[in-house]
Amino acid sequence: NAGVTQTPKFRILKIGQSMTLQCTQDMNHNYMYWYRQDPGMGLKLIYYSVGAGITDKGEVPNGYNVSRSTTEDFPLRLELAAPSQTSVYFCASSYSRPGGNTEAFFGQGTRLTVV
Amino acid sequence: GNSVTQMEGPVTLSEEAFLTINCTYTATGYPSLFWYVQYPGEGLQLLLKATKADDKGSNKGFEATYRKETTSFHLEKGSVQVSDSAVYFCALLNYGGSQGNLIFGKGTKLSVKP
Repeated sequence: NAGVTQTPKFRILKIGQSMTLQCTQDMNHNYMYWYRQDPGMGLKLIYYSVGAGITDKGEVPNGYNVSRSTTEDFPLRLELAAPSQTSVYFCASSYSRPGGNTEAFFGQGTRLTVV
Repeated sequence: GNSVTQMEGPVTLSEEAFLTINCTYTATGYPSLFWYVQYPGEGLQLLLKATKADDKGSNKGFEATYRKETTSFHLEKGSVQVSDSAVYFCALLNYGGSQGNLIFGKGTKLSVKP
């Protein structure tokens, strides 16, 4: 039972480069989320999705894009990497909104450095 | 707005010591409260939760009580083990914000020495 899988685990980008952080879940969850965690800070929501074909902005969406073509996959795209995007990125999923009878399941994180 | 403040780490304890990690929150309405744990090299896992005032969440010997009067959700364990070494995150669910938006504290790193 894989749960939530993120790739890659580590990446170094040069300023202006682009990349896609992959996230897939095998639990048939309809809700998926992307968070970032800056050093010494809590997690901040970047984007979320309540189902295939539906995405919405979270607290810090600037510089990122997402898509949700399938229930399983929720990739996060960085088009023009900037040093401010150096962070650890977490993908999460849940069957419905967390706090009810469900919980959010997290991937292991992607550590991204932009130089 | 809504926010979570938890005690700064790192916290270093000897095995079998008593653990308290403080967490206070600011929120409108009636949020749900959570503790998540991240073991080295792994993702975040839900440790426990409480959905209304005076509820006590418990799991693996850890407990936390939802105190609305003090806006707190402190994590406690009576006797920690080396295997409890991890980063602990306090979080609240913001019903007034985006759906499923968990607001996290900064995390507290716990190291337990044999």
